[in-house]
Amino acid sequence: EVQLVESGGGLVQPGRSLRISCAVSGFTFNEYAMHWVRQTPGKGLEWVSGLSWNGRYVVYADSVKGRFTISRDDVKKSLYLQMSSLRPEDTALYYCAKDQGSIPSFLDSWGQGTLVSVSS
Amino acid sequence: DIQMTQSPSSLSASVGDRVTITCRASQGIRNYLAWYQQKPGKVPKLLIYDASTLQLGVPSRFSGSGSGTDFTLTISSLQPEDVATYHCQSYASAPLTFGGGTKVEIK
Repeated sequence: EVQLVESGGGLVQPGRSLRISCAVSGFTFNEYAMHWVRQTPGKGLEWVSGLSWNGRYVVYADSVKGRFTISRDDVKKSLYLQMSSLRPEDTALYYCAKDQGSIPSFLDSWGQGTLVSVSS
Repeated sequence: DIQMTQSPSSLSASVGDRVTITCRASQGIRNYLAWYQQKPGKVPKLLIYDASTLQLGVPSRFSGSGSGTDFTLTISSLQPEDVATYHCQSYASAPLTFGGGTKVEIK
């Protein structure tokens, strides 16, 4: 069974940094692209970032480009999102999601999410 | 960047009704479109990919169609368990983009 478990969310002040993580199990992690998607309560989904199976192809939403960095550790079977220069509008539930293939496309499994709140 | 526009933003229908949701891309995306279902308080679930291919385990009352810029998700006979928000997503190019979502309720 595919499992994705996010952690590391919390309350952070504007301008500060935070790293969130996603531990995976139940599939061969190093064969699949992975993503971060966020959702503000009561609102739609916003794709944040994705990377290919080998981490060489990395893409970001315009809203986070230059501030967020996605990475993966195949040994630890984990996905990360380093977020810097955080803004109140980054407040959201952040989901880790598995791609169906090796390069970013559509998402066939999702974690439960970790909540990030940016406020002074 | 490709923009995805869903309509309507919400709808209310009776059990057994045929329900149609549309998703329009700002430019052609061939058939690189997925649909997700998100039930209240739950995580999104993949329903359809490549515009019309049903994900394993999804009931056959769900179907998808379209190519290019205009796509539809159809529920042939609405069931109480279909109450959810439905999201479309383009994966034709980066950045990936979601539509604004369509909330489906029972009348």
